[in-house]
Formats: sequence, C-alpha cells, structure tokens
Amino acid sequence: SQELEQSPQSLIVQEGKNLTINCTSSKTLYGLYWYKQKYGEGLIFLMMLQKGGEEKSHEKITAKLDEKKQQSSLHITASQPSHAGIYLCGADKNIQGAQKLVFGQGTRLTINP
Amino acid sequence: DAGVIQSPRHEVTEMGQEVTLRCKPISGHNSLFWYRQTMMRGLELLIYFNNNVPIDDSGMPEDRFSAKMPNASFSTLKIQPSEPRDSAVYFCASSFWPPVEQYFGPGTRLTVT
Repeated sequence: SQELEQSPQSLIVQEGKNLTINCTSSKTLYGLYWYKQKYGEGLIFLMMLQKGGEEKSHEKITAKLDEKKQQSSLHITASQPSHAGIYLCGADKNIQGAQKLVFGQGTRLTINP
Repeated sequence: DAGVIQSPRHEVTEMGQEVTLRCKPISGHNSLFWYRQTMMRGLELLIYFNNNVPIDDSGMPEDRFSAKMPNASFSTLKIQPSEPRDSAVYFCASSFWPPVEQYFGPGTRLTVT
C-alpha cells in the first residue's frame, strides 16, 4: 500500500521565517496533493503535482515533486500567522486520478508573532 | 455556492445507538467521498461514489458501516450499532469526475460514549 511519511510532525517558526515540510513515499507517486487544514474545519486544496521535477507556486507557498516522483516538499516563504494549520500531503493509490487518496499524518505548523 | 454541507456538526451518542451522518455535495459535482480522521490513524478514505454509484468501499471498517447516495445532492453514512472506537471526525468531500481537487465539508465530530 502507498505509505506517505511527513516530516516534521510539528513545526514552530517565527513570523517572517521560511520553512519547509517534506512528504516521502515508499512508491512512485502518480499524483501528489497538498492540503491545509485548520482546527475544526475541513481540508482546503493547495496544489497538485504530477510530473517529475514539477514545481508550483501560489502566493508564498511553493510545492515541488522530485524527479523520481517519490518525494515532495512544501516551502513557505516569509511565513505569516495565516499560514498556521495542519498541512497534509495526499497521493493517488490509483493511476487514473484522485479516486483513492491516502494521506500522510500531517505537519502541524505554528507561527509565533 | 455554499460548499459541501455536513450535518450534524457534532454528535454525541451512546454505544449501541444508530448514527446517521449527512452530506450535501457541491451542486454539479458527480463524485463524493467519505473520510474518517483520528489521531491514531490520520485521515482515511472510507468509500467513494461516482454518479451516485459506490465505486470503492474497501475502506469501510466493518459491516456496521454503510453509505448511500440516493441522488446527486445527498449522501448518508450510517453506523449501526455504534462503538466508542468509532469516535472520530467524519468528512465528506465532493469533486468533478475525474477528480483532481476535492472540496471538503467542515466535518462531523462523532463521540460515542
């Protein structure tokens, strides 16, 4: 089965600092999804990566998928309090698309003012 | 659009009782997913539907769990009888087919005492 491991499990950074969250798979990733979750709320889609070496950015968040398609990173530049939450990576278990997502355990991000 | 709607938001019940969770997907979406989130197991896919038809229910933990989607705008997840280990947050998500971005509801927090 697809196993996704996220690191770190929790992260506390000072506002304005950069940070990186990693997601590693034991198998080749056909599709890698990043979601953000705030306490008591559902998940919000951030980005999807499919091709080896692909990189996408949205505002101050950049996600990358390595060439071997087994590792992805999420980088936040100049972090803000609004970035606080739990970040989850998810991967397709099915080559045909996001039909069966398995998720990592999540990374809890705290931003200190 | 109002987004994915789930009800109730919180449910507290006694062991052995029947529990029904409800979901209204985003209008126009034809895929619907039920997830369960716990501290121990993280976020797990239970079942998903395409055009109201269950496609994969391999994530349903046991026969006490059942899900239906009688029409494109409504789905239920039923637990009968409920057990304390069913306590979790249950999310419903919907998307277009083939799914890329899944839109999550706010979740139902279930506590079984």
